[in-house]
Amino acid sequence: SQQGEEDPQALSIQEGENATMNCSYKTSINNLQWYRQNSGRGLVHLILIRSNEREKHSGRLRVTLDTSKKSSSLLITASRAADTASYFCATDRGSYIPTFGRGTSLIVHP
Amino acid sequence: GAVVSQHPSRVICKSGTSVKIECRSLDFQATTMFWYRQFPKQSLMLMATSNEGSKATYEQGVEKDKFLINHASLTLSTLTVTSAHPEDSSFYICSAQPELRGEETQYFGPGTRLLVL
Repeated sequence: SQQGEEDPQALSIQEGENATMNCSYKTSINNLQWYRQNSGRGLVHLILIRSNEREKHSGRLRVTLDTSKKSSSLLITASRAADTASYFCATDRGSYIPTFGRGTSLIVHP
Repeated sequence: GAVVSQHPSRVICKSGTSVKIECRSLDFQATTMFWYRQFPKQSLMLMATSNEGSKATYEQGVEKDKFLINHASLTLSTLTVTSAHPEDSSFYICSAQPELRGEETQYFGPGTRLLVL
């Protein structure tokens, strides 16, 4: 069964704007990961945040985790057209097996 | 970085035939590989966990006799869709977890698009 649920399902912005995607989950986790998928391609790992961490940065990406609310957010700053993709959060089920949400489809208009 | 390949990238077959998909970790050894299925605009659904040298562990609702998994070496796992039907048409993605203790990240292959006519 799906653990993470992303919100919104679709997001359309202009290049240069920031994009924020949220992920909510139901049960306690060891870590939460964000992945990116270009249309018809495999997944690319973006960032992993552990349950004892609250915020993590990687380049233009900022991920937050609020375990009390069982939610995480992914912020992409100064978006580019090349950021157009689907973004998935995945929570682990133990043994490092991620369970994926439905994803947020991001379109960045040039 | 760790690279996982899949072959073929896309395949079209007739109903009733079997299709084999290969998943290879190119620059690392993977004790465990995972097979996922993804329908258009949907999430990845875990089908099975493949462990080198042992039987695969299938998720509930996934027929093990229909989706045969063989993890023959630390760098290769295969998924065979037997007697494929149109409803098996989907995007199949594998991932591999490096053998290193404590490695939490999985590395995904580019996917195989299967179309059964």
